[in-house]
Amino acid sequence: GAVVSQHPSRVICKSGTSVKIECRSLDFQATTMFWYRQFPKKSLMLMATSNEGSKATYEQGVEKDKFLINHASLTLSTLTVTSAHPEDSSFYICSVNPTGTDYEQYFGPGTRLTVT
Amino acid sequence: AQSVSQHNHHVILSEAASLELGCNYSYGGTVNLFWYVQYPGQHLQLLLKYFSGDPLVKGIKGFEAEFIKSKFSFNLRKPSVQWSDTAEYFCAVSPFSGNNRLAFGKGNQVVVIP
Repeated sequence: GAVVSQHPSRVICKSGTSVKIECRSLDFQATTMFWYRQFPKKSLMLMATSNEGSKATYEQGVEKDKFLINHASLTLSTLTVTSAHPEDSSFYICSVNPTGTDYEQYFGPGTRLTVT
Repeated sequence: AQSVSQHNHHVILSEAASLELGCNYSYGGTVNLFWYVQYPGQHLQLLLKYFSGDPLVKGIKGFEAEFIKSKFSFNLRKPSVQWSDTAEYFCAVSPFSGNNRLAFGKGNQVVVIP
């Protein structure tokens, strides 16, 4: 399967600052990537669909101005949490839908964000 | 909106016991169904998937799942578990006509005691 990396794996930031998380598809091109948020003892919640070369599609209830997504190339999508608050602390996971495949998604290892 | 239900969040069993994890979804149209596994400290990995055809699907590591359309279910089974099956298991659903967006269940934490 596709290898997906995320950077950083862990980040601690102060309230009010912005944090950028990178998701890279290492061996496949991906027109589409997905960003999820995982709360403790809860399932993954889809935040948005990242589309290469166009605007991301956000799920209902997800603030697009707070969670900025940029999918500038076929192997890289970034999620920027702007003006972070403690309630944004969570585990953020990306997945890759390799171009040319229909339904396969390959997941990154996740990024643990802690906002103090 | 589609939703995915998984029951019995915590499951503890001994090696060689049989495992069955239930998954029910609420979506009226045709769906694609998945089971993902997350081993401790690792990322999500695909266990098996169902798109069409034989409703009994075999995946990796001896797992299988059965799609029962009339019950909106996609239960995961393994006849004899091993300690290495200790992990969290997630059922996920994607609408056939959608853009591959996945809705996940809350997961089952499975602990296998040696």
